[in-house]
Amino acid sequence: QVQLVQSGSELKEPGASVKISCKTSGYSFSTYGMNWVRQAPGQGLEWMGWINTETGNPIYDQGFTGRFVFSLDTSVSTAYLQISSLKPGDTAVYYCVREPLRFDYWGQGTLVTVSS
Amino acid sequence: QSALTQPPSASGSPGQSVTISCTGTSSDVGGQNYVSWSQHHPGNAPKLIIYEVTKRPSGVPDRFSGSKSGNTASLTVSGLQADDEADYYCSSLTATNKVVFGTGTKVTVL
Repeated sequence: QVQLVQSGSELKEPGASVKISCKTSGYSFSTYGMNWVRQAPGQGLEWMGWINTETGNPIYDQGFTGRFVFSLDTSVSTAYLQISSLKPGDTAVYYCVREPLRFDYWGQGTLVTVSS
Repeated sequence: QSALTQPPSASGSPGQSVTISCTGTSSDVGGQNYVSWSQHHPGNAPKLIIYEVTKRPSGVPDRFSGSKSGNTASLTVSGLQADDEADYYCSSLTATNKVVFGTGTKVTVL
């Protein structure tokens, strides 16, 4: 069965970086694109963008350019989200979600807390 | 791109129906057939329940149905069950090939 398993919670100080992994199984990794979605505490969902898992080409939504990087390791069917120069406002749950047109399978989410 | 508008809350008794609206513009909901709905239970991975406006993934009960009229999409949950109590979010592809989410609706089963 299709599974997206994300890495565990992270506690980081402002200015640090974090890299979240999303390990997939149960399907051909390069067949479906991967979205990244952010949910700040008590807030709704924000689409951050997606990465084409066939070409590696990322598309970032407004507000998620510069400090946010989507990447892949196709050899282990894993997508990554790296956030640099972390700010307290980056505190959120980050989800990987398969397939930009459907959002058909979601990871369990990774909580990133940015605090000194 | 502004978030799609959903009511903050909806409720119904077991067995009743509840309908959640998702209002956008002609650049997203009104102009696209890629509207999805997801169900979010705290502590669990969110789950897709409707895609392409009206389609249900395998395993989703037919108590869940989707529709669209103009710039507003709707999710109807019939025969409410306790397990339907969750947050529900709509999402839509936009004319610029981005994605926008709804503001979210908390469904309470009374």
